[in-house]
Order: sequence, then C-alpha cells, then structure tokens
Amino acid sequence: DIQLTQSPASLSASVGDRVTITCQASQDSSNFLNWYQQKPGKAPKLLIFDASNLETGVPPRFSGGGSGTDFILTISAMEPEDFATYYCQQYGSLPYTFGQGTKIDIK
Amino acid sequence: QVQLQQWGAGLLKPSETLSLSCAVYGGTLSGSSWNWLRQPPGEGLEWIGEIKHRGNTNFNPSLKSRVSITVDTTQSQFSLKLASVTAADTAVYYCARSPLLLGAFDVWGHGTMVSVSS
Repeated sequence: DIQLTQSPASLSASVGDRVTITCQASQDSSNFLNWYQQKPGKAPKLLIFDASNLETGVPPRFSGGGSGTDFILTISAMEPEDFATYYCQQYGSLPYTFGQGTKIDIK
Repeated sequence: QVQLQQWGAGLLKPSETLSLSCAVYGGTLSGSSWNWLRQPPGEGLEWIGEIKHRGNTNFNPSLKSRVSITVDTTQSQFSLKLASVTAADTAVYYCARSPLLLGAFDVWGHGTMVSVSS
C-alpha cells in the first residue's frame, strides 16, 4: 500500500493567513493525488484533483501542486469557513489510501 | 446533479453482517465506479472497495475476505455487506462516486454511523 504522510497533523491559523499543508507519498504517485476538506459531522468535499486541478465551485484561494512523492495544498488567505480537516488521497495504486489528516483551527 | 442517498442498520452485535445500500439519483451508474469508505470515530478515512456498473469490483486487501459489494442497475443502487463485524468496524460508512476519468471521490452520501456492540 502507498502510505501518505501529512504535515503538520494540526495547526492554528487566523483569518487572512496563508496556510500550507504537505503530503508525502511512500512511492511515486505521479499526479494521482487529490485533496479533500471535511467539517465535523459532514462527508468530505473534493477540493483538488490530479494534484493541481481545482474542482468546480471551489474558491481559487485553494491551490495544489507537486508530483511524484511530494505534494502541497495551499490556502492563500484563510476564510472563516476554511477551518476544517484536510486529507490527501492517492489513486495511483490500489488500495486507494488517505493521509491521516491535518486539522486547522482558529488561533 | 448526482446525489447519493444511503441507508442501513446502525447497530449490530459482534459476528453479525453489516448491510448498507446507496441509491444514485440524477445520473446513471455507467462511467463511474461506486465506492464505500469508512471513518472510525475521531480517525481518518479508509477506502473499503468499489464496483463498476458492469459488476467489476476491487477491494481493500485488509477487508477483502469479509466484504461484498453488489450493484442493481435496475434500481440504480449499490450495496455493501461486511461479514463477521467486531467493535473495530464501528465507523461512519460513506458511499461515494468516482468518475472513471477523474479518480477522485466527487460525490458523497451523507454517511451512516454503524456501531458494533454486544
């Protein structure tokens, strides 16, 4: 299985802050890497697919990058609705796997 | 706009079989894989398995011996069975769509909390 390691596990931020989350894969995943946002009690929501493509309807303050084993999710300026948990997920190899999550809370 | 509506029993005893179903509204089963995932309380996400509209399946090896996923194209539904459950299977279970050309889970059900307790 491909292991995905997210960093940090949690962070505190303020509205307007620039936030970066990294996801490192244990094997080359090409660009087969997606990012999700999850709020308490809700299903995850797809933000970024294929490492850098913004899902329809997702605000452009979200961006993704990377390839191979190192990937990054950036929120250019935090909005109140962005405080949530974020997961990366790879689909280059079965079984599909997720990172352990990064929780962003209010500083 | 595709929507997924899921249902099933929420409380099981150890050794019983978990059974959940997910109906697809506003779209067809073709062109996508239909997935089950789960999330234990306070933990991360785990992919359980997928089925395509012709019935081809893939499963997570960690659960493969206990999992069955079937599809009913006439009802636009797909279903999950997980046999011999234990407390470790307590989780919120989600159904989700993955378009074959996308590889991401772009539409999700609302989730069903399944608890296993004697």
